[in-house]
Amino acid sequence: GAGVSQSPSNKVTEKGKDVELRCDPISGHTALYWYRQSLGQGLEFLIYFQGNSAPDKSGLPSDRFSAERTGGSVSTLTIQRTQQEDSAVYLCASSFDRGVGETQYFGPGTRLLVL
Amino acid sequence: GDSVTQMEGPVTLSEEAFLTINCTYTATGYPSLFWYVQYPGEGLQLLLKATKADDKGSNKGFEATYRKETTSFHLEKGSVQVSDSAVYFCALSEDFKTIFGAGTRLFVKA
Repeated sequence: GAGVSQSPSNKVTEKGKDVELRCDPISGHTALYWYRQSLGQGLEFLIYFQGNSAPDKSGLPSDRFSAERTGGSVSTLTIQRTQQEDSAVYLCASSFDRGVGETQYFGPGTRLLVL
Repeated sequence: GDSVTQMEGPVTLSEEAFLTINCTYTATGYPSLFWYVQYPGEGLQLLLKATKADDKGSNKGFEATYRKETTSFHLEKGSVQVSDSAVYFCALSEDFKTIFGAGTRLFVKA
């Protein structure tokens, strides 16, 4: 079956512009996660969605970052007024449920470069 | 708060050498522990996991044992191959959040 897909795969933008990153999780997965991976760094948790519950936004680094998940499936991460420090790989993952031992399935990521 | 600490890389080994990548964690409860791997040009994927103390996760010749007494989940492989060259991430999951280590890059030379 299809895995997690993300688009675009690469995005180059100018400082101050807004960007939207898309994630299509695996069908039937109720949990969806966004992470940021900066060069040489580990994964930084950004936001988590579970079913129709309110998302956990505790990892979002500033109010320029927001995310939504429509119909319990596709998710969009929006970064407003991008800054150079936003340059990173943004990873989306989904899992069947929110259980502690659940495996997360990752997409290939969107590589964002802010000039 | 919860955290994961893994050995810094890069780790460079010759083919057929023994591999250990250390991982220790701090957690308030009883997390599940994971190793994820990121091969060059590919996305992260689960390598192995263990959900309770003394469990051993294994896959593709890699093993890791959940040691509650030492709060560790070290990754081992008896004989590495060039194709094992990748970045390895240790992670813990408690409640719904997964905390990742910084990653350890492994280079295996032929």
